[in-house]
Amino acid sequence: EIVLTQSPGTLSLSPGERATLSCRASQSVSSSYLAWYQQKPGQAPRLLIYGASSRATGIPDRFSGSGSGTDFTLTISRLEPEDFAVYYCQQYGSTLWTFGQGTKVEIK
Amino acid sequence: EVQLLESGGGLVQPGGSLRLSCAASGFTFSSYAMSWVRQAPGKGLEWVSAISGGSGNTDYADSVKGRFTISRDKSKNTVYLQMNSLRADDTAVYYCAKGRSNWRAAFDIWGQGTMVTVSS
Repeated sequence: EIVLTQSPGTLSLSPGERATLSCRASQSVSSSYLAWYQQKPGQAPRLLIYGASSRATGIPDRFSGSGSGTDFTLTISRLEPEDFAVYYCQQYGSTLWTFGQGTKVEIK
Repeated sequence: EVQLLESGGGLVQPGGSLRLSCAASGFTFSSYAMSWVRQAPGKGLEWVSAISGGSGNTDYADSVKGRFTISRDKSKNTVYLQMNSLRADDTAVYYCAKGRSNWRAAFDIWGQGTMVTVSS
């Protein structure tokens, strides 16, 4: 099983600032089968990024993903008020799908 | 509109069984993989099980293997999760999710979730 470790656990930032979230895998994620999701309280997760760097339908271009192998990054270029939420990475390249433990982006 | 609607959650005693359903609409159901993902109260996401489009291959998390069974009825555009030998740590919101392709893929559509509580 591939274990995903996200850091930091919590990111305290102000609207307009840049957010950089990290996701590290315990072994290489094949074919960059890495996704990022956003989840707000009481809501289902929403797909942001798939294939490590492709934005899902309707996702603003302030969200970008990068990385390969074992190290991946989600960047939010300028935080909007609606971006404060919990973010999860997920790999789907191995036998078992796995999620990271999440990074909470909170208002400073 | 693409939509997933879960049902079947509720309160069940330890050792009991429950069957969750997820009705899909707005896309060609048989062409896409479907998964179940759960979230215990105040915790993160945990993938539970997946079934492929087409051939119907299945996969399970180690935590549910041998206890849970995923299946799909293409005539009803519905995916099921049969949960047996339920334990307290199975308590969670269970989400149904659609894959972007017929097997290994990110989940682009999610249902609203159904709560399962295992308690005496």
